[in-house]
Amino acid sequence: KAGVTQTPRYLIKTRGQQVTLSCSPISGHRSVSWYQQTPGQGLQFLFEYFSETQRNKGNFPGRFSGRQFSNSRSEMNVSTLELGDSALYLCASSLGGSATNEKLFFGSGTQLSVL
Amino acid sequence: GENVGLHLPTLSVQEGDNSIINCAYSNSASDYFIWYKQESGKGPQFIIDIRSNMDKRQGQRVTVLLNKTVKHLSLQIAATQPGDSAVYFCAERKAAGNKLTFGGGTRVLVKP
Repeated sequence: KAGVTQTPRYLIKTRGQQVTLSCSPISGHRSVSWYQQTPGQGLQFLFEYFSETQRNKGNFPGRFSGRQFSNSRSEMNVSTLELGDSALYLCASSLGGSATNEKLFFGSGTQLSVL
Repeated sequence: GENVGLHLPTLSVQEGDNSIINCAYSNSASDYFIWYKQESGKGPQFIIDIRSNMDKRQGQRVTVLLNKTVKHLSLQIAATQPGDSAVYFCAERKAAGNKLTFGGGTRVLVKP
């Protein structure tokens, strides 16, 4: 079955603009998480959505937001872009159950460059 | 994902040798640990996991060891192959849900 799909693959924006990234989870997966990856900070958790509700949130400013639709697809939005928002944004999906060892599957990411 | 981390530690290993990648985790309350592999242009790929009630788990050519006393995790790759060249991340989770805390990563370079 198809893996986690993220679109677009690459994005170039300028400071002050906003951006929306999209993620389609693996079929049957109800949880979608977003991570930011940068050379300086590594991989950092942004937020997780399950059944259209935010279940967990990382330590990012309110400019970063997300949502999940009834088909489990998710979008994240970054408003008022800053140069430091340049990063690879990764989406991950899982079944969404409460098992401690539930596996997380990542997409290939959206590379965002802010000029 | 092109991981071009400026300060990524690098492990150079000869093809066919065994590799050991180490990771120190931060939260003694973490109950689940995972190793991911990330190749250039791709997202992290699950390798192996271990729950906190275990100290060793084996997969195909990989073994994860967990030492909770010193909060240390290691990944052993047997008979390292060129396709093992990638950046490896450990991650920990302390509760249900998918908030993972990742380590900084180790780049593995396999020499033919």
